[in-house]
Formats: sequence, C-alpha cells, structure tokens
Amino acid sequence: GENVEQHPSTLSVQEGDSAVIKCTYSDSASNYFPWYKQELGKRPQLIIDIRSNVGEKKDQRIAVTLNKTAKHFSLHITETQPEDSAVYFCAARHTGTYKYIFGTGTRLKVLA
Amino acid sequence: DAGVIQSPRHEVTEMGQEVTLRCKPISGHDYLFWYRQTMMRGLELLIYFNNNVPIDDSGMPEDRFSAKMPNASFSTLKIQPSEPRDSAVYFCASSFQGIDQPQHFGDGTRLSIL
Repeated sequence: GENVEQHPSTLSVQEGDSAVIKCTYSDSASNYFPWYKQELGKRPQLIIDIRSNVGEKKDQRIAVTLNKTAKHFSLHITETQPEDSAVYFCAARHTGTYKYIFGTGTRLKVLA
Repeated sequence: DAGVIQSPRHEVTEMGQEVTLRCKPISGHDYLFWYRQTMMRGLELLIYFNNNVPIDDSGMPEDRFSAKMPNASFSTLKIQPSEPRDSAVYFCASSFQGIDQPQHFGDGTRLSIL
C-alpha cells in the first residue's frame, strides 16, 4: 500500500544552523507534497507545499525539494530559530484522490 | 475567516458512553476530513467527504465509529460505545477542490476514555 517514510524522527540543531528532513514515498502517482508544522498541543499548520511538476520551492527560510525519479522530497530550514522547534510532518497525495498519507513526523529542537 | 472549528476541545468520559465530536469546515470548502492522532500511530485518516458525501471510509477502525455530514457546514464523528483505546486527539480538516489545495486543520478534540 501507499507509504511515506520520514527521517530522522528527532533532530537537534544549534540556533542559526540548517535543518534537513527527508521523506520517501512509495506511490509514483503521488502528485502533491505538503509539509506541516505542529507545535505542542496545537493543530498541524501548512508551512510549504510542492507539486510534482516542480523540483524546488522556497519561502524565506524554508525550502522544499522534490526528486520524482527517486521518489523523495526534503524540507530545508535555514538560519533556524528557537521558534522553529516543533514536530514536522510530510505528506503525499495520491493522484485521483484527496487522501494524504502522512509521514511519522520529525521532532525538531533548536538549541539557543 | 474563522478557520475550521471543532468542538468540544476536550472530552473526558467513561468507557461505554457515546461520544460525539463536531466540526464546522471553512466556508466554501468542498472536502472535509477526519483524522486521529496518537503517539503510536501518528496521523491517521479516518474518513473524508466531498460535497457532504462520504468518499473513503477505509480508515474507520470499527463499526463503533460513524461519521455524518448532513450539510456543507457541519460534520460529526460518533463513537458508540467508546473504549479506552479510542483516547486520542481527533482533528477535522477541510479544503477546496483542486490538485494543490492544502488541507486546513482545526484545533482538534482531545478525547480521553476512562
């Protein structure tokens, strides 16, 4: 079945450093890949997304890259700040449905 | 826009009781999703609706779970009878129709079954 693997499960970085989270999906028909940030006790919030016909997308300190051939996509956060600390989820949406398959999440800690 | 509104925010009840969770999607959104989040299983899609019609309920764990969407602005997720293993955070999300339309989540209902 459809599966999204996410690594690492936890990540600690020093403030100002970069953080990279990687996801691999199994369904080659997946065509949309959102990333969500979830702070403790709060709802998942969309931070960036990418469609399958685009290789990279940036929004200030956040970027996402997509490699369709290898079926993986990554979230890059530069110049990390303490408020970036949260759990980050990747997801993949299968063509023809509106179902998201979520990764298992990455707990990012930015150390001041 | 008020966003997706869920109620109650917290629910504590005893095993065997009926639980009803409520969701009001963002106005104009065509799709509504119910998720369950636990530490062990992460974010799981339970069911989703398009224009009030259930499209995929393959994630509904058991017959004890049911969901309805009587109109475009309201949906319920019901558990009857509830069990301790149903304890989780339940999120509702909604989206417009479209290939790159993201899902917007509500604040969730934290459910504890004693």
